[in-house]
Amino acid sequence: DQQVKQNSPSLSVQEGRISILNCDYTNSMFDYFLWYKKYPAEGPTFLISISSIKDKNEDGRFTVFLNKSAKHLSLHIVPSQPGDSAVYFCAASEGGATNKLIFGTGTLLAVQP
Amino acid sequence: DTAVSQTPKYLVTQMGNDKSIKCEQNLGHDTMYWYKQDSKKFLKIMFSYNNKELIINETVPNRFSPKSPDKAHLNLHINSLELGDSAVYFCASSQASRGSSYEQYFGPGTRLTVT
Repeated sequence: DQQVKQNSPSLSVQEGRISILNCDYTNSMFDYFLWYKKYPAEGPTFLISISSIKDKNEDGRFTVFLNKSAKHLSLHIVPSQPGDSAVYFCAASEGGATNKLIFGTGTLLAVQP
Repeated sequence: DTAVSQTPKYLVTQMGNDKSIKCEQNLGHDTMYWYKQDSKKFLKIMFSYNNKELIINETVPNRFSPKSPDKAHLNLHINSLELGDSAVYFCASSQASRGSSYEQYFGPGTRLTVT
């Protein structure tokens, strides 16, 4: 049973425009959400996170929005740059002692120059 | 200055062999993890150790055995390798204490190919 879902396997945007990556979850016990970026042949790199007590977190060009009632979060990248082209994974955690992360299946973002 | 390192990066071996993957982190974190990314690119937790104590053990065949000699190292030993074990294995670490933000930092991955 997939608790974290990224329904768009790929997304293509023009350089300078906004990229919006979406993620849905089913487990209401998740209290922390993270986005990771992954280039080919490299490990995932932490990008930005948000606690369930917040609805927005911003870090430079990256903003994550959380809608708890809809069990939905999104990552906005603006302006998008060619170097942002990568696979983006959404992840969620119930916190606690184990800090177990449940990952979505990823969205491949291609930013066209 | 690598934060989480794994060796080897590539591992090609035959069915039935036993192999190990090593992981080291220099971030001072007290929790380490092993993840498996399968052919469908799905990243799934396998094991986690906190201060050398096993705290996560997902439904993984007992041919897989993690070993943590100290909190900076977490190795993965796989016995009797099968074709289905072919995947990319990622090590990660975090400072998962109260008040932390739960970020996990990943190594570059080890691509295991079983022939």
